[in-house]
Amino acid sequence: AQSVTQPDIHITVSEGASLELRCNYSYGATPYLFWYVQSPGQGLQLLLKYFSGDTLVQGIKGFEAEFKRSQSSFNLRKPSVHWSDAAEYFCAVATNRDDKIIFGKGTRLHILP
Amino acid sequence: KAGVTQTPRYLIKTRGQQVTLSCSPISGHRSVSWYQQTPGQGLQFLFEYFSETQRNKGNFPGRFSGRQFSNSRSEMNVSTLELGDSALYLCASSLATSSGNTIYFGEGSWLTVV
Repeated sequence: AQSVTQPDIHITVSEGASLELRCNYSYGATPYLFWYVQSPGQGLQLLLKYFSGDTLVQGIKGFEAEFKRSQSSFNLRKPSVHWSDAAEYFCAVATNRDDKIIFGKGTRLHILP
Repeated sequence: KAGVTQTPRYLIKTRGQQVTLSCSPISGHRSVSWYQQTPGQGLQFLFEYFSETQRNKGNFPGRFSGRQFSNSRSEMNVSTLELGDSALYLCASSLATSSGNTIYFGEGSWLTVV
């Protein structure tokens, strides 16, 4: 069965610093991959998704993610974080377009002023 | 267009009671999924409905059930509530087209069981 691992439960970075959130998945074929963000008390908002094609995916709010098949990874990056980026970030995987989506446990991002 | 709408947003129930949560998907979306989110377990898939049929189901006991209506609106029901059912219940909808299973979430229903 497919699974998603987000190895970092909490990450703290300074405002203006670069960010990378790690995500590893387990699945034999090419999965559908997603990153979602959840602000406190809110639902989840889609940041970006990868289905096929270019392995570097651009999302909203200046985020990007790179699919690396050899490493089974889909890490999320942002060159310069803003205080408003403080939230919880979820990586997710689906194995086909009709399958349920499996979420990682999430990484909570803290921003230092 | 309007997003995914969930009602009620907050509710408190006592053990043994039952609860029904409602979800109105984005207009045109035919797939509705439900997730339970707790601090300890994270986001866990409950079930997914497409065109009034349950298409996928997670590993939850039979006390958790759902249904979808012809207008794609969905309800989930939890019977004989337990303290551990306290959670944020998230509904998500998608077109389920060839572009892939991109889902859009509502803001959730916060359930507290006392």
